[in-house]
Amino acid sequence: DSGVTQTPKHLITATGQRVTLRCSPRSGDLSVYWYQQSLDQGLQFLIQYYNGEERAKGNILERFSAQQFPDLHSELNLSSLELGDSALYFCASSERGGTYEQYFGPGTRLTVT
Amino acid sequence: GENVGLHLPTLSVQEGDNSIINCAYSNSASDYFIWYKQESGKGPQFIIDIRSNMDKRQGQRVTVLLNKTVKHLSLQIAATQPGDSAVYFCAENTGGFKTIFGAGTRLFVKA
Repeated sequence: DSGVTQTPKHLITATGQRVTLRCSPRSGDLSVYWYQQSLDQGLQFLIQYYNGEERAKGNILERFSAQQFPDLHSELNLSSLELGDSALYFCASSERGGTYEQYFGPGTRLTVT
Repeated sequence: GENVGLHLPTLSVQEGDNSIINCAYSNSASDYFIWYKQESGKGPQFIIDIRSNMDKRQGQRVTVLLNKTVKHLSLQIAATQPGDSAVYFCAENTGGFKTIFGAGTRLFVKA
């Protein structure tokens, strides 16, 4: 158990809908990262927050957004969902940002039908 | 964390043999490298890391080698066990907040 929690574990929704994925980092970790893992593209970095502020952006679509709250939990919002958004979404946390190992949660499996 | 369907490089080894998983990284400015293990149905798990001022680092049954000249990273697993079967990812960081993961290598351990 990494200490990172993610909810829900599974999510099934229809195209065009909006969902929110939630992540609670390990106790004491200030950085939260979001990744998408799909069958044909491996693990793709989406976005990173440090102590409530966005610090790095990867291949995140404009339909997606995220935020980190004062209690350090984070939410990833996915809107206008398309079939291609079906994937595993992982949250990771680290003590600080950048050159520190990340601890991954169990992931949320999103299926868009 | 299944990678079923991904056309990952695959390494198949006999239980008890040593495994070597290779990774070519992309950015010559990267100064921090990490290996992660991902078992089926789980998130990636940190194995070992190395900074660019080193060329070798050892952990428990694992060794990471870094060759900055050719931008190559390798993970050596000694006395490979069935529990080592997983997908292994290398990752690089340039000192900022963005970590880039490699495509992954699937390791099969034959009993």
